[in-house]
Amino acid sequence: DQQVKQNSPSLSVQEGRISILNCDYTNSMFDYFLWYKKYPAEGPTFLISISSIKDKNEDGRFTVFLNKSAKHLSLHIVPSQPGDSAVYFCAVLTGGGNKLTFGTGTQLKVEL
Amino acid sequence: DTAVSQTPKYLVTQMGNDKSIKCEQNLGHDTMYWYKQDSKKFLKIMFSYNNKELIINETVPNRFSPKSPDKAHLNLHINSLELGDSAVYFCASSHGLAEETQYFGPGTRLLVL
Repeated sequence: DQQVKQNSPSLSVQEGRISILNCDYTNSMFDYFLWYKKYPAEGPTFLISISSIKDKNEDGRFTVFLNKSAKHLSLHIVPSQPGDSAVYFCAVLTGGGNKLTFGTGTQLKVEL
Repeated sequence: DTAVSQTPKYLVTQMGNDKSIKCEQNLGHDTMYWYKQDSKKFLKIMFSYNNKELIINETVPNRFSPKSPDKAHLNLHINSLELGDSAVYFCASSHGLAEETQYFGPGTRLLVL
């Protein structure tokens, strides 16, 4: 019973272009969403978040969009850089705000 | 200085053995967590502790016993290891409960033979 789904296991993008990573969730009551980034042999690191009262949050090259009616969020990276190559996890804060529930991740590869 | 550290980094052991993984954070955080990333790369919470008190136990088999001797440490002891316990185990910490920004350790890669 996956509450958070990332349907694309991998994505390949050319350097300088836009990367769009997608995430769907099942529960309309979820109210805080996050993206984490993970390099091989390292733990995930927090990237950006958004509250359900917003539909967009921007931080430098990273923008997260939230579509509550579709129960969908996306992460845009522009311009994409080779150092962005990593696994990106979408997550929601659940359990009364006490735990993170993660999606299965999308492996992003930014090619030169 | 590493914010969240775990030892060992790699652990290879036989079925039936008992093993421990240690976690320490030097961030002054009150809340610590254990996550398991299985072979399908699915990252799932196992436990969380706040000020040494167990907050979340996600229906983990009781062969897994977390222990928090103080706020800076959360260790994971696993009894009677099974093949299905092979995974990467991540420790994490945050300032407090309902904190979206969690800081993760580098992971412990456990292989049960």
